[in-house]
Amino acid sequence: GEEVAQTPKHLVRGEGQKAKLYCAPIKGHSYVFWYQQVLKNEFKFLISFQNENVFDETGMPKERFSAKCLPNSPCSLEIQATKLEDSAVYFCASSQTSDRKSSPLHFGNGTRLTVT
Amino acid sequence: GDSVTQMEGPVTLSEEAFLTINCTYTATGYPSLFWYVQYPGEGLQLLLKATKADDKGSNKGFEATYRKETTSFHLEKGSVQVSDSAVYFCALSATNAGNNRKLIWGLGTSLAVNP
Repeated sequence: GEEVAQTPKHLVRGEGQKAKLYCAPIKGHSYVFWYQQVLKNEFKFLISFQNENVFDETGMPKERFSAKCLPNSPCSLEIQATKLEDSAVYFCASSQTSDRKSSPLHFGNGTRLTVT
Repeated sequence: GDSVTQMEGPVTLSEEAFLTINCTYTATGYPSLFWYVQYPGEGLQLLLKATKADDKGSNKGFEATYRKETTSFHLEKGSVQVSDSAVYFCALSATNAGNNRKLIWGLGTSLAVNP
């Protein structure tokens, strides 16, 4: 597609439950990024992929967070045993490979996760 | 490490006022610089970019010039509209080795334009 599609738009989970978020990057884009927006303005990088390979996962809380980008499937971000502090808007972004330095990221509209 | 510093908001202006949102950065090498905008309830959109020193990015009446000597990329618009009310993020694309395209973000500046 021509835009990054994230689903669901809203997700509510009780503390300790699992949450799974999906992202379909723009067709032809090889890089996928996940960001977490906890406070109104602050973005935290979580993980990036080049195709199905993890590229940088330095931002991931590895104990409970995992992510995948499999061929012919939307990318996913999964949180096992959610905690209250996981409440945030999770943004996915994709970019092309042809110009690594300046190829802009195209963002989805985000998934708002609320942990109660 | 690389970092981006933006002026804190919120910024409140009247329609047709002049806008400046300051952004400075620290980085090794020659990063690319971006301004993204987040309208209420929406995701981020690329507003403009500059990839080398003295480049000027422009879009929708907004401009920013990549100033290497002052390590700045200030966002300006001559006459803001109510529809410009949004949160603006300055970001740089790290140029470290390999294919890591992680963006380094500023904390965002909220702009409210009153009619």
